[in-house]
Amino acid sequence: DAGVIQSPRHEVTEMGQEVTLRCKPISGHNSLFWYRQTMMRGLELLIYFNNNVPIDDSGMPEDRFSAKMPNASFSTLKIQPSEPRDSAVYFCASFFGNRGGYTFGSGTRLTVV
Amino acid sequence: SQQGEEDPQALSIQEGENATMNCSYKTSINNLQWYRQNSGRGLVHLILIRSNEREKHSGRLRVTLDTSKKSSSLLITASRAADTASYFCATDEPGGYALNFGKGTSLLVTP
Repeated sequence: DAGVIQSPRHEVTEMGQEVTLRCKPISGHNSLFWYRQTMMRGLELLIYFNNNVPIDDSGMPEDRFSAKMPNASFSTLKIQPSEPRDSAVYFCASFFGNRGGYTFGSGTRLTVV
Repeated sequence: SQQGEEDPQALSIQEGENATMNCSYKTSINNLQWYRQNSGRGLVHLILIRSNEREKHSGRLRVTLDTSKKSSSLLITASRAADTASYFCATDEPGGYALNFGKGTSLLVTP
């Protein structure tokens, strides 16, 4: 298995532009999570899906953030419009059931200038 | 929301020495996990300990859990330069799936 695949690895965009981050979870995993990591705030849970259904999006900072999981093998996190304070590393993680650990992707480093 | 808090924030040791990192949390947990993050990479799951367990081993890793004190420790024995990374504890609450991470301990192992 190739693991959790995120794209792009790096994204530099101008303030006000739309940004879409993508994630392909491990096949068979039924839960998917989006986290944001910054030096100041550490790892913050943004949203998680179970069986493609959003369960908790209370961590999504503002209406500018939205996430979808149209099927079991794909999820997107969209920021529109982007702002410099959105600059961070965004991680996607997946796992199966309620045992074992999460498998994280390599992350997308987002820089908004 | 963040629940775990690691201590120390940074640790520097020499190869061959043991490294101990601590984690404290605030509410009841289902289980506690430790992850490693190398610079510029994603987190890698190391070990999971359930709330009814007190100690667990995996290779050079030893994890303890004291639910009465709401704390855990991660011991890496005979450390190697390749162990240089940030280490995070993470907890999930009963009935929940999402993990809450601490801010991590940055470990530097010098040859």
